[in-house]
Amino acid sequence: GAGVSQSPRYKVTKRGQDVALRCDPISGHVSLYWYRQALGQGPEFLTYFNYEAQQDKSGLPNDRFSAERPEGSISTLTIQRTEQRDSAMYRCASQSGTSGQETQYFGPGTRLLVL
Amino acid sequence: GDSVTQMEGPVTLSEEAFLTINCTYTATGYPSLFWYVQYPGEGLQLLLKATKADDKGSNKGFEATYRKETTSFHLEKGSVQVSDSAVYFCALSDRSTYGNKLVFGAGTILRVKS
Repeated sequence: GAGVSQSPRYKVTKRGQDVALRCDPISGHVSLYWYRQALGQGPEFLTYFNYEAQQDKSGLPNDRFSAERPEGSISTLTIQRTEQRDSAMYRCASQSGTSGQETQYFGPGTRLLVL
Repeated sequence: GDSVTQMEGPVTLSEEAFLTINCTYTATGYPSLFWYVQYPGEGLQLLLKATKADDKGSNKGFEATYRKETTSFHLEKGSVQVSDSAVYFCALSDRSTYGNKLVFGAGTILRVKS
C-alpha cells in the first residue's frame, strides 16, 4: 500500500457508546504506534506494538481504552463507554523496524467527536 | 520523563522572510530528533530528522542542527513561501521503554503572507 490508512476518518458518537478505530500500516512494517492529539496540542503516545505483541500500553488513559494487532498487521483501538473528554484526533503510525532512528509514518487520523 | 518545548505561535511572516522556530528538549540518553509538519487538511509528515549530536537535518530548504550542549533543535529556513504555511511539530524518540515512542511539542502555527 501507499501509506498508512485509518478508518473511519470521522466518527461522531453518543456518550456511552463503544467505538472501534482501525489502522492499516504500511505493508511489512514491524512497529505500530497509536497517538491521541487534542486541539492545539501535539500528539501524545497511547500504545505500541511490535508485530502482534503489545509491548507498551503506558499511555492508555484508563481501562476503557484497549488495542489489538492480532496478526501483526492491522490494528484496532477500541474505546468503550465513550465520554466527551475522549473527543480528539486519533493517529496511527508505523515504522519499518524498531530503531529510534527510523521514521514513523503517520496516517491521516480519525477525528472522534463524542456528543 | 522526556519532554519537548517549542516556541508558541502563531508566527506570521511575509514571503521571503527568514524563519526560526525554537525547540528545546529534555531527555535521558541521546534521542533522535524530528520535525514533523502538518499542512492544512493533511496528516503529519516528516520534514527532517537528526539522529546524533551535531547532525544537521535538511529538506525543502529547512534545516535543523542537533545541539547536545544546548539541548536544542531549532528549525530554520532562509526564505519562506506562502506554501510553507502549516503547523510544525518538534519531537524526540523516547528509547527509555519498549519501542521508540515520539514525544511531541505543542506545535507552532506558521502563517506566511504574500
